[in-house]
Amino acid sequence: AQTVTQSQPEMSVQEAETVTLSCTYDTSENNYYLFWYKQPPSRQMILVIRQEAYKQQNATENRFSVNFQKAAKSFSLKISDSQLGDTAMYFCAFMKHGIRNNNDMRFGAGTRLTVKP
Amino acid sequence: DGGITQSPKYLFRKEGQNVTLSCEQNLNHDAMYWYRQDPGQGLRLIYYSQIVNDFQKGDIAEGYSVSREKKESFPLTVTSAQKNPTAFYLCASRSRGSSSSGANVLTFGAGSRLTVL
Repeated sequence: AQTVTQSQPEMSVQEAETVTLSCTYDTSENNYYLFWYKQPPSRQMILVIRQEAYKQQNATENRFSVNFQKAAKSFSLKISDSQLGDTAMYFCAFMKHGIRNNNDMRFGAGTRLTVKP
Repeated sequence: DGGITQSPKYLFRKEGQNVTLSCEQNLNHDAMYWYRQDPGQGLRLIYYSQIVNDFQKGDIAEGYSVSREKKESFPLTVTSAQKNPTAFYLCASRSRGSSSSGANVLTFGAGSRLTVL
């Protein structure tokens, strides 16, 4: 079974600065997807960014970017120019690729990020 | 607007009672999921369904049951056999398709908070 590990239970950053959240995963699969989801105090899960394992280029979405290291099974999230609205729980997630696979999504335990004014 | 509706938002249950959480989606997604979230923890998979009339157990299926009679609906029943049902429950759905930017991403409902009295 795939496992996802987030080793930083809590982090904080000053507004406008940059912060990096860590994620590692364990799998024997070659094709898969990786995700970062954000859960603000409202508890609504919001997709931040998505990466396909076969793509070498790191995904970016505005102020959010990832550092995907397939060999090291590492998938970190970088938030640039942090804003107060970025305060939330951040979850790293893994899903196998392919219609025939059981495409369940597995989540890490989360990192609570606080952006300080 | 397309989305996922979970109801009720808050639910209280006496010990020994079964309760059913509703999840409805109008996104025309094939796959649907139920996750449980405990305070300060990540999401744990209870059940998922990739097509109508088919579903698979996740990591913590004991004490829960589901049905998938319609594509739009995936209700979760928390039975009296579930020893510690107090938690936040999240339903999600996923489109199955090619590797476009929108495919294979989970869309979540707003969640249901179950408290056992």
